[in-house]
Amino acid sequence: QQQVRQSPQSLTVWEGETAILNCSYEDSTFDYFPWYHQFPGESPALLIAIRPVSNKKEDGRFTIFFNKREKKFSLHIADSQPGDSATYFCAASPNTNKVVFGTGTRLQVLP
Amino acid sequence: NAGVIQTPRHKVTGKGQEATLWCEPISGHSAVFWYRQTIVQGLEFLTYFRNQAPIDDSGMPKERFSAQMPNQSHSTLKIQSTQPQDSAVYLCASSTVWGNTEVFFGKGTRLTVV
Repeated sequence: QQQVRQSPQSLTVWEGETAILNCSYEDSTFDYFPWYHQFPGESPALLIAIRPVSNKKEDGRFTIFFNKREKKFSLHIADSQPGDSATYFCAASPNTNKVVFGTGTRLQVLP
Repeated sequence: NAGVIQTPRHKVTGKGQEATLWCEPISGHSAVFWYRQTIVQGLEFLTYFRNQAPIDDSGMPKERFSAQMPNQSHSTLKIQSTQPQDSAVYLCASSTVWGNTEVFFGKGTRLTVV
């Protein structure tokens, strides 16, 4: 019943490059799109989120690009650092609080 | 604020035994979620309570899994007749109910069924 599809499953980039993580969804009632990151041994934690009234949300080196027509959104991590190495989960939620997560992208940033 | 508290952190059960997992949400949070995390499936939604009432249990395997929230300070997830495929990290999370807001996760219970 996966309603949020995420790709790639794993991604390796060099320090300083931009990492791009992609997600798509099907349910038109989704109106909140967060990204969570999870470091080894830790629980997922909110990184950045967007609502469909915007098509872009920036927070430092992290940017969400949102395409409502195509039901796609992506996370761009600029100037990637080794400390960004983690698993990133996209998610989507209607206004009922239930949050559905993608399967995750394991990002490795090489120095 | 101690965050979402889950106990035990690790649990090993024999095949066919029962496992009960406990969660204490953040004080003041009225939405409580249970997720199951595995390498293959990622973060699977199991069930969701709002103000202690079950709202959505569409992710729960119906026959052996059950969840309750008897009061606002704790929720339990019970797995009867555990099977090896139930081995996973079970995450509890909580949030406020006012619109879409950040979900705060506990550290999880790693269940191993041998």
